[in-house]
Amino acid sequence: DGGITQSPKYLFRKEGQNVTLSCEQNLNHDAMYWYRQDPGQGLRLIYYSQIVNDFQKGDIAEGYSVSREKKESFPLTVTSAQKNPTAFYLCASSIRQTRTAPYEQYFGPGTRLTVT
Amino acid sequence: KNEVEQSPQNLTAQEGEFITINCSYSVGISALHWLQQHPGGGIVSLFMLSSGKKKHGRLIATINIQEKHSSLHITASHPRDSAVYICAVNSGNQFYFGTGTSLTVIP
Repeated sequence: DGGITQSPKYLFRKEGQNVTLSCEQNLNHDAMYWYRQDPGQGLRLIYYSQIVNDFQKGDIAEGYSVSREKKESFPLTVTSAQKNPTAFYLCASSIRQTRTAPYEQYFGPGTRLTVT
Repeated sequence: KNEVEQSPQNLTAQEGEFITINCSYSVGISALHWLQQHPGGGIVSLFMLSSGKKKHGRLIATINIQEKHSSLHITASHPRDSAVYICAVNSGNQFYFGTGTSLTVIP
């Protein structure tokens, strides 16, 4: 089965601790994304990566870090510098069938992080 | 200003009703996507549209590129259609998302 896995589904941390959210895909997609979802707001882009060893900040990158050492993996670290880390985090990957086709995006099941 | 606006934010319908969710966008796009998010959070793609209309079962999606507007219709709604429906647009390799429409279908 091809897809995106995120673990764990629920994560609880104390304030001041860094925490790393896992995202793995076996779709052979080059591009991967991390989004944050808060009630009443659309998905907001944290970081994205178009290729291994390269990634770009999104709209709300402050307090987060990522790495892309392997095509399949794009872990997100929520650092203690993130002021309001409690949220639902979604990982996604995308592909386009041809060079001119639009991108199709696939989502993982998400990780709900609660920081107290 | 949001690149993607959806309406309504919340929608309650009786089973069997015809439902319409609207989406307007302000950026140039290569495609528009309708997504469904169930409680529990996972998101699945329902449609990807570049023009015209697509139908899948009881779901119909239309797009008017000139007016930068799309609609998602659900015919003969059912309680299992209860979910959040999200409009997203694809501009280059970036995606912009609406805030979602929370649909509840009552038996």
